[in-house]
Amino acid sequence: DIVMTQSPDSLAVSLGERATINCKSSQSVLYSSNNKNYLAWYQQKPGQPPKLLIYWASTRESGVPDRFSGSGSGTDFTLTISSLQAEDVAVYYCQQYYSTPPGITFGPGTKVDIK
Amino acid sequence: QVQLQESGPGLVKPSQTLSLTCTVSGGSISSGSYYWSWIRQPAGKGLEWIGRIYTSGSTNYNPSLKSRVTISVDTSKNQFSLKLSSVTAADTAVYYCARGLGGYSYGLGGYNWFDPWGQGTLVTVSS
Repeated sequence: DIVMTQSPDSLAVSLGERATINCKSSQSVLYSSNNKNYLAWYQQKPGQPPKLLIYWASTRESGVPDRFSGSGSGTDFTLTISSLQAEDVAVYYCQQYYSTPPGITFGPGTKVDIK
Repeated sequence: QVQLQESGPGLVKPSQTLSLTCTVSGGSISSGSYYWSWIRQPAGKGLEWIGRIYTSGSTNYNPSLKSRVTISVDTSKNQFSLKLSSVTAADTAVYYCARGLGGYSYGLGGYNWFDPWGQGTLVTVSS
């Protein structure tokens, strides 16, 4: 299985400042045949289900504010919130969909708070 | 737009079978090329993919749960279901159903990310 790790476990950022979350996969999720990274990002607010933010590592889902961006390739990825808003307080998860089967795996999550 | 809603018992006894249903509204479960999935989340912890069923009826399961999991679909009711047998306290979690969006890559197989998700239902395993 592909193991996903995230760093940091949590971070606190001032309103309007940049938040950066890292995600690392135990093996590459870049498929050489189409040069696509099989990685998605989700936002989960307390008491709510996860919400899709980004897929293909950098493609923003329709309706997601452009302050959210994804980057990276191979095994190392980043989710950036360019200017943190109060409504961005949440836990953020990365997910690989390269290895199915055997299975889809998620990172352990990164909690983002206001400083 | 498509919406999903989980339903089923909130309390299951150890060693019994957990059974949940996901009702899809706003679209037909058999139209399009989607992976209908179950995902769970223990309190205060991360997300664990349980398995999925494709529009064609083919299934894939998390290897760690495969021996205990069955996912099925009832197109006449626009529902898909999860059965998890021989449950223990470790199976206590919020269970989500979700639609898998994606496709098929030759050499990799079917792939998907998840959108939308149901609101989730808490299942507690306790005697």
